[in-house]
Amino acid sequence: DARVTQTPRDKVTEMGQEVTMRCQPILGHNTVFWYRQTMMQGLELLAYFRNRAPLDDSGMPKDRFSAEMPDATLATLKIQPSEPRDSAVYFCASREGSYNEQFFGPGTRLTVL
Amino acid sequence: SQQGEEDPQALSIQEGENATMNCSYKTSINNLQWYRQNSGRGLVHLILIRSNEREKHSGRLRVTLDTSKKSSSLLITASRAADTASYFCATPNAGNMLTFGGGTRLMVKP
Repeated sequence: DARVTQTPRDKVTEMGQEVTMRCQPILGHNTVFWYRQTMMQGLELLAYFRNRAPLDDSGMPKDRFSAEMPDATLATLKIQPSEPRDSAVYFCASREGSYNEQFFGPGTRLTVL
Repeated sequence: SQQGEEDPQALSIQEGENATMNCSYKTSINNLQWYRQNSGRGLVHLILIRSNEREKHSGRLRVTLDTSKKSSSLLITASRAADTASYFCATPNAGNMLTFGGGTRLMVKP
């Protein structure tokens, strides 16, 4: 059955290192979201794309975070350089159309030491 | 600030009992969605209720929406241990991006 996939599932890295997270949305879904979840802040929207074009990345610290969709089957979220406060679970979600439910991936648990 | 706020933050019940979670939101919406998140997993969509609907059912789930009070409730009947999870309400903003509440952590004891 169709699912959103994310890699890696877990990532432990040291402060200052570059981290790249990948997401494969469900085929045919034209909107892709990146979220970050922490105990303190809950679920925060970082960025989203429609038809591969970035529409809103106001939730993302732009000095170190970047999000791209090189093609319809791949979305990436990059942090460079990473900091301990970036430790969180990062979720990708995709959606078909404008008013439907979102389908979430399993998340990438990032730990920055 | 969050658009949706769930109440209570945590709920512990015995298997077989009903669980009710509430969500309040601030601005006008065209739909409201409920999601479940099991520990260590991504969110799973449960049900979407549109602004012109007052009640919706899906299996053991019943969702109500009161747009005059800007509130919604999720009722899980005859709860099971497998229903243990966090439950989130989400509402779309003007740009149709979902804003999630802080969630209700439900514990169903066998």
